[in-house]
Amino acid sequence: EDQVTQSPEALRLQEGESSSLNCSYTVSGLRGLFWYRQDPGKGPEFLFTLYSAGEEKEKERLKATLTKKESFLHITAPKPEDSATYLCAVQGESGAQKLVFGQGTRLTINP
Amino acid sequence: ETGVTQSPTHLIKTRGQQVTLRCSSQSGHNTVSWYQQALGQGPQFIFQYYREEENGRGNFPPRFSGLQFPNYSSELNVNALELDDSALYLCASSLRAYNEQFFGPGTRLTVL
Repeated sequence: EDQVTQSPEALRLQEGESSSLNCSYTVSGLRGLFWYRQDPGKGPEFLFTLYSAGEEKEKERLKATLTKKESFLHITAPKPEDSATYLCAVQGESGAQKLVFGQGTRLTINP
Repeated sequence: ETGVTQSPTHLIKTRGQQVTLRCSSQSGHNTVSWYQQALGQGPQFIFQYYREEENGRGNFPPRFSGLQFPNYSSELNVNALELDDSALYLCASSLRAYNEQFFGPGTRLTVL
């Protein structure tokens, strides 16, 4: 069964303090690993898709990387507006089309 | 380009009742997936529809059912509501089953 574990559950940073969020996964044949951002009471907002180990993608202050067992979401010099829950999900070959999500990391950036 | 829309935004029902939630997919997308998200948890896959046919189902009982229409909009129906059905219900659309999924704002269902 495909599984995703995210750590830490919650992270509080000062504005400008860089850090990384972790997503560990087990999947039978990775079709894709997805990162989403979710604000309270709203639907997840798509950020990145990674397909193979070694791949990296960047968007503004965010950079996602992928290995065979985990993915990292690096946040550089964050701003208060980066505060949100960040969700990681995998899509495996055996699970067909569904996304299997982790529980998320709740990120708070203090000004 | 119009994104994924869902209705209603909020809904309050009592135990045993039935509910229908609606979703309009993003323009050009023919695949719709439904997820249930309990407070503080990640979304859980309910089922997916591709070109009006169910294309996969998660571990949810048969009282959770769905439809997809020719214009690719979709409905989620839940019968015999239970207290544990209280959650945020999310609809996501994609170009095909294995592409990125784009989520709507969700419907917050409260069962009393």
